[in-house]
Amino acid sequence: QVQLQQWGTGLLKPSETLSLTCGVSGGSFSGHYWTWIRQPPGKGLEWIGEINQSGGTSYNPSLYSRISISVDTSTNQFSLNLTSVTAADTAVYYCASRSYDVLRNYYNSWFDSWGQGLLVIVSS
Amino acid sequence: QSALTQPASVSGSPGQSITLSCTGGSSNVGNYNLVSWYQHRPGKAPKLIIYEVNKRPSGVSDRFSGSKSGKTASLTISGLQAEDEADYYCCSYGGSSTYVFGTGTEVTVL
Repeated sequence: QVQLQQWGTGLLKPSETLSLTCGVSGGSFSGHYWTWIRQPPGKGLEWIGEINQSGGTSYNPSLYSRISISVDTSTNQFSLNLTSVTAADTAVYYCASRSYDVLRNYYNSWFDSWGQGLLVIVSS
Repeated sequence: QSALTQPASVSGSPGQSITLSCTGGSSNVGNYNLVSWYQHRPGKAPKLIIYEVNKRPSGVSDRFSGSKSGKTASLTISGLQAEDEADYYCCSYGGSSTYVFGTGTEVTVL
């Protein structure tokens, strides 16, 4: 497991762009899928999308048109941009990761490292 | 894709066993043995407790067990303890490199 530390703007106005970054430490930056997950107040977890160290991405179809996830291998960080936010995007945002299993030559399907979570509020 | 369906709440007395369900469809739970479960306490990051339907990570109590039948995965907590009070989420691979979480179940120890 790696350690994930996330930061970003916690208060946004409608139509602005949400930008969050997650820093990775305590392990290899390669060999993982770096993921963003959120939890709106009083609701369940929602998978937003993920990226690997090569920049390959996968996004939640419901957010696809507004999401961009990027990776910076020089600083061991990955970032989430979500455009045109509304109150519905108010949530605790988590960064997380899925690891590569060398023995099985396969990326694990579970999230074994998580950031501390960051509350993002969208309000006018 | 729609969230997997979990009961909103399940309760039990200390020492009892409870089972949480997680129902999806043929595009996720029913088609892949890639269901994981997470324990989520308020203000904390979710914690992985089951992966690939029925496997436990190192350090997770053997009171937690998972299973799957068709489109429904289940998490059983045996010997319920006060410390098990939390929200529990299932998650399944949804095909096309996507993942989908469940709606979550609040576990209360009476």
